[in-house]
Amino acid sequence: KQEVTQIPAALSVPEGENLVLNCSFTDSAIYNLQWFRQDPGKGLTSLLLIQSSQREQTSGRLNASLDKSSGRSTLYIAASQPGDSATYLCAGFNDMRFGAGTRLTVKP
Amino acid sequence: NAGVMQNPRHLVRRRGQEARLRCSPMKGHSHVYWYRQLPEEGLKFMVYLQKENIIDESGMPKERFSAEFPKEGPSILRIQQVVRGDSAAYFCASSGQERRKEKLFFGSGTQLSVL
Repeated sequence: KQEVTQIPAALSVPEGENLVLNCSFTDSAIYNLQWFRQDPGKGLTSLLLIQSSQREQTSGRLNASLDKSSGRSTLYIAASQPGDSATYLCAGFNDMRFGAGTRLTVKP
Repeated sequence: NAGVMQNPRHLVRRRGQEARLRCSPMKGHSHVYWYRQLPEEGLKFMVYLQKENIIDESGMPKERFSAEFPKEGPSILRIQQVVRGDSAAYFCASSGQERRKEKLFFGSGTQLSVL
C-alpha cells in the first residue's frame, strides 16, 4: 500500500517569497502524481499532473517535479501571494492515496 | 460542462438512520472515487468504482458502508445505521477513460452530521 508523506505540515511566509513543498511516497512504481489545493470547507482543485514518464510540469507560477527513483515530488511556488493560502496535497497514482497536506499561509 | 456534482451539500442524520450520498461524475468520466475527510485530517481513500464494478474497496469499513455506480445514474455511497463517528466530509472524484493517466476532478463534498 502506498504511503504518502508531506513536509512541512504547515508553512507561513511573507508575500513574494518563493517556496517549496515536499511530497514523498513509498511505492516508486507510481503511474502519475498529482498536486491539489484545498481551500477551507471546499473540495480539491487539481493543480498539476505529472506522468511517470515526465520529470516536471509547469503552470504559471507553479512547477512540480517528480523523481521516482528517490520517491519524491516537489511543488515550487514562485512569488507567493496571499491568494495562494490553502492546504496543498499530493497523491500518487496507483491508488490515489493522499498525503496529509501542507497548510500554507502567505502573509500580506 | 458541469463538474463533479455531489448532493446533498449538507446532510443531517440521527444515530441509527441511513445516509445516502450521491455523486454524478463529469460527463464522459467512468471512474469514481470516494474519500472521507475528518476535521483537521487528510483525505482517506474509501472506494474506487467503474461503471457497475467495484475495483478497490480496501478503504471501506467492513460494516454499514456500501457503494455502487450503476450503469445509469449517479454513484451512491450508502451508510447504514449511522453513528456519531461517521460525521465527516465525504468527497467524490472522477476521472476519464484511462485511470492512470488523467487528472482527478473533485466535487464540493457532502458534509454529514450525525446527531
